[in-house]
Amino acid sequence: EAQVTQNPRYLITVTGKKLTVTCSQNMNHEYMSWYRQDPGLGLRQIYYSMNVEVTDKGDVPEGYKVSRKEKRNFPLILESPSPNQTSLYFCASRPRLGGNTIYFGEGSWLTVV
Amino acid sequence: DAKTTQPNSMESNEEEPVHLPCNHSTISGTDYIHWYRQLPSQGPEYVIHGLTSNVNNRMASLAIAEDRKSSTLILHRATLRDAAVYYCILRGPLKTSYDKVIFGPGTSLSVIP
Repeated sequence: EAQVTQNPRYLITVTGKKLTVTCSQNMNHEYMSWYRQDPGLGLRQIYYSMNVEVTDKGDVPEGYKVSRKEKRNFPLILESPSPNQTSLYFCASRPRLGGNTIYFGEGSWLTVV
Repeated sequence: DAKTTQPNSMESNEEEPVHLPCNHSTISGTDYIHWYRQLPSQGPEYVIHGLTSNVNNRMASLAIAEDRKSSTLILHRATLRDAAVYYCILRGPLKTSYDKVIFGPGTSLSVIP
């Protein structure tokens, strides 16, 4: 089954404690991206990756890092989380060509206290 | 980047048609109009897309204005399961080298039994 898998789905952490949200897709997609969703703001893109070792900033990259060492994985790293990063995070992927559909993961609820 | 404008919320009675509008007055000639929806506690999922002609699939229909500055997603018979946030987004041709997709706040559709 084609899917985008995120972990953890729910996490409460403390300010400053580094954390990583993993994302994996089994569709051999070139494109992957991370979004955060906040009430009234819709989905805002954090980072995206066009292929292995190619990443670029989205609209709200501050406070986040990403890496793309393998095609299937695109982890989101919060080096020093702050309360304003409390949000719902989605990972997404699509093929580079011929891919009309963006596939989203189920989301990761992150609370920073 | 071209943006879209949608009403914040709409209501529909069950089993009646629903017309969800979207304005995109700054759309470029190569932008495709895509619709996604997000059910509660899930990631967004693809609904339909089009360029100039009206489109139909098993989920919905997409009516595109002749000047392409607006479009309407049509759910022919709303069910309770159609209660979701609906996003209208614009995407460039699939062969472009970037993947910056802007999701606005969308339209929250309520379906009344």
